[in-house]
Amino acid sequence: AQSVTQPDIHITVSEGASLELRCNYSYGATPYLFWYVQSPGQGLQLLLKYFSGDTLVQGIKGFEAEFKRSQSSFNLRKPSVHWSDAAEYFCAASGNTPLVFGKGTRLSVIA
Amino acid sequence: DTAVSQTPKYLVTQMGNDKSIKCEQNLGHDTMYWYKQDSKKFLKIMFSYNNKELIINETVPNRFSPKSPDKAHLNLHINSLELGDSAVYFCASSRWTGDTEAFFGQGTRLTVV
Repeated sequence: AQSVTQPDIHITVSEGASLELRCNYSYGATPYLFWYVQSPGQGLQLLLKYFSGDTLVQGIKGFEAEFKRSQSSFNLRKPSVHWSDAAEYFCAASGNTPLVFGKGTRLSVIA
Repeated sequence: DTAVSQTPKYLVTQMGNDKSIKCEQNLGHDTMYWYKQDSKKFLKIMFSYNNKELIINETVPNRFSPKSPDKAHLNLHINSLELGDSAVYFCASSRWTGDTEAFFGQGTRLTVV
């Protein structure tokens, strides 16, 4: 069955520190991959997406993600976290089907 | 202009009531979806419609009945609301089923008391 796994339920980082959120997928073939962010009480905003080509994709708000086929991973990174990045982050995948989401990682940012 | 809009944003109602959530997209997309986000933030597909026809129904109780009067609208009607229906419901659309990207509405937070 198609699935997306985010191993970390909650991560806390200091403002200015680097960030990496993990995502693994299980699909028959390489799916389309996405990262969404949900701020408290808000909807889903697309950060970035991977379809094919360059395995390092740049997104909005200074985020990037790297697709690694050998590890079935699509980890999200940011070199320096800002307090406004505190939110819930969802990895999602699609393979000619509706999006399948991971369970999310809640990011807390401390001063 | 909001691409995918849902109304209402918040809905508080009593158990046993019937309620509807409306969704409209102005992107010209053929496919629309309803997702449910539970109290643990888990997002799961409920329904998918393509050009007004039901494509996916993910074992959702019969009390939930989606209606698509045209391909720009997908409404969700819920009968006999239960406490467990409390969640955030997201509408989304894409150019076609399984398209590379879906656009989401802001969500409707339903609270059943």
